[in-house]
Amino acid sequence: DAGITQSPRYKITETGRQVTLMCHQTWSHSYMFWYRQDLGHGLRLIYYSAAADITDKGEVPDGYVVSRSKTENFPLTLESATRSQTSVYFCASSESGGQGGYTFGSGTRLTVV
Amino acid sequence: SQQGEEDPQALSIQEGENATMNCSYKTSINNLQWYRQNSGRGLVHLILIRSNEREKHSGRLRVTLDTSKKSSSLLITASRAADTASYFCATDREYGNKLVFGAGTILRVKS
Repeated sequence: DAGITQSPRYKITETGRQVTLMCHQTWSHSYMFWYRQDLGHGLRLIYYSAAADITDKGEVPDGYVVSRSKTENFPLTLESATRSQTSVYFCASSESGGQGGYTFGSGTRLTVV
Repeated sequence: SQQGEEDPQALSIQEGENATMNCSYKTSINNLQWYRQNSGRGLVHLILIRSNEREKHSGRLRVTLDTSKKSSSLLITASRAADTASYFCATDREYGNKLVFGAGTILRVKS
């Protein structure tokens, strides 16, 4: 099906482990984004990408790494997971960045124990 | 830091009533957007209003924008139980290529 797909839907990992969250979109949108959602903080931007091989930091990038070798994929890696990274992570895509609406994935609920 | 701040944080109304949510922001913008999030789901884009527009309608949704006060409101008319969700405003910070979201308003519509 067309759309934006995140995987896994749920993940439990241990402190210090590396974990990668996947995001795949089928529209060939130029822009892709990673947000985390926490109670009391709303959505905070982690990283975004304007095109393949172009990425930039958002508001809370520390502890995260992204890559975008193909337009349709934008994986987010937690290099060494910490409990403070327990959150719900949302991937989104947009054809025109902040000048148009975003399409969001269903989210990944990550728990770091 | 959050650009948009929604008010109220939570709102509970009866089915059929109107729901009004407000959003204030701090810097100049080119557009402001509203999103809905059902429990456990991703956000869904509802409506976009540009800085040179004052009001916009989409079905039962009415959005206003006052750039002099740096504020926007979302009105949902004749609310339904299915409108129960969190609503977020987001701004682009003047032609920025990314959106900044507020903390959201939780709307509960009782049937």
